[in-house]
Amino acid sequence: GENVEQHPSTLSVQEGDSAVIKCTYSDSASNYFPWYKQELGKRPQLIIDIRSNVGEKKDQRIAVTLNKTAKHFSLHITETQPEDSAVYFCAASHNYGQNFVFGPGTRLSVLP
Amino acid sequence: GAVVSQHPSWVICKSGTSVKIECRSLDFQATTMFWYRQFPKQSLMLMATSNEGSKATYEQGVEKDKFLINHASLTLSTLTVTSAHPEDSSFYICSARTGGMGNQPQHFGDGTRLSIL
Repeated sequence: GENVEQHPSTLSVQEGDSAVIKCTYSDSASNYFPWYKQELGKRPQLIIDIRSNVGEKKDQRIAVTLNKTAKHFSLHITETQPEDSAVYFCAASHNYGQNFVFGPGTRLSVLP
Repeated sequence: GAVVSQHPSWVICKSGTSVKIECRSLDFQATTMFWYRQFPKQSLMLMATSNEGSKATYEQGVEKDKFLINHASLTLSTLTVTSAHPEDSSFYICSARTGGMGNQPQHFGDGTRLSIL
């Protein structure tokens, strides 16, 4: 089955700097990769996703890149702000899979 | 769009009580809903996949007689924790998928914090 790894587990950056979180997956059939942001005690919220037919997707300060050959994908946050502090989860799934396989999460702290 | 409502948000009850948690898709029909359990500072652990009109599919190690799931309509799935004990205390989150394929976004409810005394 699919296995998703995520690094780093914790990340601290200064406000205004960039943050990068990396995930790897094992199932070459996976073709959908969402990223979720979860603030303490709240629901995970979808912030961006990418499908395997594209290599990069950007939405304002957030971007995701995908390398299908190497089976890894990354989340990039530029110009970080304190409100970006949260736990970020990557996930992988494919057309015929029922559920996502989530990574273990990255706790991002943006220091003012 | 794609709003998922989960109730209750917080439950405190005595050991041996059964607790029902509801998950509703408010503005879309969800043929598939998912139930997760999350321990502090850990990832989302899938407990079961709930398909409308059929039996839920449980992940390995999850007791189906302990965690009863019902998905009677396209907008409602319920999780009942039967005869709850302190070790069942956790954060339970449901999600629903808008599309029929596995590669569609899941939208999460607010979660239910269950505390068993």
